[in-house]
Amino acid sequence: ILNVEQSPQSLHVQEGDSTNFTCSFPSSNFYALHWYRWETAKSPEALFVMTLNGDEKKKGRISATLNTKEGYSYLYIKGSQPEDSATYLCASTYSGGGADGLTFGKGTHLIIQP
Amino acid sequence: SQTIHQWPATLVQPVGSPLSLECTVEGTSNPNLYWYRQAAGRGLQLLFYSVGIGQISSEVPQNLSASRPQDRQFILSSKKLLLSDSGFYLCAWRGQGYNSPLHFGNGTRLTVT
Repeated sequence: ILNVEQSPQSLHVQEGDSTNFTCSFPSSNFYALHWYRWETAKSPEALFVMTLNGDEKKKGRISATLNTKEGYSYLYIKGSQPEDSATYLCASTYSGGGADGLTFGKGTHLIIQP
Repeated sequence: SQTIHQWPATLVQPVGSPLSLECTVEGTSNPNLYWYRQAAGRGLQLLFYSVGIGQISSEVPQNLSASRPQDRQFILSSKKLLLSDSGFYLCAWRGQGYNSPLHFGNGTRLTVT
C-alpha cells in the first residue's frame, strides 16, 4: 500500500495572503504527481501533472513544484481569493500501479477568510 | 470535447437492497475508466478500474462489483448494500499514459439506511 500524505489537513488563510501546502510520497518507482482542486458541490478538477524532478508548473496565481528524489511536492497560492477555498488533493502514480491508477492523499482543506 | 456523465446524483437505499450507478463518457475512445469512493473522513479510494470492454480490475475487496459493457460505459453494482457502503462515489476517465489527468463525473452521494 502506497502512502501519499498531505499537510496540513486544513488551513485558514486571510484573503490576500499567500499560502502553501505539502504533498509527500514514496520516491521509488515514481511516475507522476497530480494536483486536483475539489470545490464544494463540484467534482475534482485537475490542476497540474508533473513527472520530472525539479518540475515547476503555474496556472494563474497557483503554482507547484516537484522533488522526486526526496518525495515531496509543494502547491503555492499567491494572493489568496475567496474562490480559492476548496480541498486540494495530490495523487501519485507508480510503475506497476495498475492501469496507472492514482493513489490519493486525504487532501488539504483550504478556507479563505475575507 | 470530452464529457462524463454520472447518475444518479443522490441515492438513499436500505441495507440489503441492490445498487446500480452508471457512468458514460463522450468524445473519446478507449478511455481508462475508474470508480473512486470517498467515505466520511477519508481520502479518495480507488475501487475499480477498466482498460477496455469487459476488463475490470478490483483494488479493494468488498461487496461491490463493476462492469464495462461498452467502451464508454462503466457501471458500479451491488447485490446487497451494507451500511459501510455509504459514501460519495466518483466515476472518472483518463487518456492513455501515466501523465494524463483524471476527469471526474459529478459524483453520487449514496446513503445506506
